[in-house]
Amino acid sequence: AQTVTQSQPEMSVQEAETVTLSCTYDTSESDYYLFWYKQPPSRQMILVIRQEAYKQQNATENRFSVNFQKAAKSFSLKISDSQLGDAAMYFCAYRTAPGLIFGKGTKLSVKP
Amino acid sequence: SQTIHQWPATLVQPVGSPLSLECTVEGTSNPNLYWYRQAAGRGLQLLFYSVGIGQISSEVPQNLSASRPQDRQFILSSKKLLLSDSGFYLCAWSGVGDNEQFFGPGTRLTVL
Repeated sequence: AQTVTQSQPEMSVQEAETVTLSCTYDTSESDYYLFWYKQPPSRQMILVIRQEAYKQQNATENRFSVNFQKAAKSFSLKISDSQLGDAAMYFCAYRTAPGLIFGKGTKLSVKP
Repeated sequence: SQTIHQWPATLVQPVGSPLSLECTVEGTSNPNLYWYRQAAGRGLQLLFYSVGIGQISSEVPQNLSASRPQDRQFILSSKKLLLSDSGFYLCAWSGVGDNEQFFGPGTRLTVL
């Protein structure tokens, strides 16, 4: 069975700095999808970025980018120029039929 | 554009009482629908999913049930709530063949 591990329960970053959140996963599949979701204090899950395993190029969405290492089964999220609004829980997720498997999350604090 | 609604936003219920949480999606047809639960300090766990009206699959044995009476309506129910049913319940949808899932604002359920 697939598993998703986020080893950093909490992280902190200074406003305007860069932070990287880690995620590792375990799977025997060769083609799959990975996601990062953001959960702000409102608790609604917001899709941040997606990565398709068969694409070697790392996904980028504005200030958010991933470092996808397929052989190492690693999928980290980099947030550049951190803003106060980035403070939230961040969940790594693996797409498997029928739903998503989530890690336990990383709580990101942004210091002004 | 597509939107997803959940209600109520917050609910406090006594043990043994019934439960009905509703989720509706707008702006799309024949979506796949999902119910997740997020217990305190944990990631999300898939409870039910549906690929069409009247088609419900359960991922974990529990005290809850789900129904899909209309194409874009998904209901989570219980006949008798347990203390362990407390948590944050999130409904999500995806397009047929799509891999991203989009979440509603959630319902915070407290069973006393």
